[in-house]
Amino acid sequence: KQEVTQIPAALSVPEGENLVLNCSFTDSAIYNLQWFRQDPGKGLTSLLLIQSSQREQTSGRLNASLDKSSGRSTLYIAASQPGDSATYLCAVEYGNKLVFGAGTILRVKS
Amino acid sequence: DAEITQSPRHKITETGRQVTLACHQTWNHNNMFWYRQDLGHGLRLIHYSYGVQDTNKGEVSDGYSVSRSNTEDLPLTLESAASSQTSVYFCASSGSYGEIGTDTQYFGPGTRLTVL
Repeated sequence: KQEVTQIPAALSVPEGENLVLNCSFTDSAIYNLQWFRQDPGKGLTSLLLIQSSQREQTSGRLNASLDKSSGRSTLYIAASQPGDSATYLCAVEYGNKLVFGAGTILRVKS
Repeated sequence: DAEITQSPRHKITETGRQVTLACHQTWNHNNMFWYRQDLGHGLRLIHYSYGVQDTNKGEVSDGYSVSRSNTEDLPLTLESAASSQTSVYFCASSGSYGEIGTDTQYFGPGTRLTVL
């Protein structure tokens, strides 16, 4: 069964800290891995998409890495800000279908 | 601007009633998806469609149905609502115009459904 796990389930950090969110998946036959952000009561917004042939993607203060062989991805957030507070979801694509992790709830304290 | 909308945003219904949730996208995307989100489970795939007249079952399809009569819409029907179907429902679409694995999914704002 294709499963995606995210650790930690929740994280609280002071403003300015660098942080890492973790995602692991059981089936390495992926097309891509995506990181989404979800604000309370809102839909999902795509942050980064890493294709299966890539090792990492960067967007501003965000950097996502992918290691297919070990079934792991990390999302690195540099110099965190209160506006980064949200739920971060990892999703693995298997042939146009996404399998999601349960998410990491991030709180950045000012 | 292209978008994906869902209606209603909130719905309260009674056990046993039929409920239809609407999803409409103006991206002209081929692929459309329905998910439900519950605490501790993340998003789980209910049904999906790769084009007009195409529908497929996802991980948690029991008690739900969809039909795709045009490119823009994929309504989700709960034939006989149950309390276990209380959840937040998200619709998404993707284009798949390029190589598989290159297109992200775009999500609607969600519908919060309560079954009493």
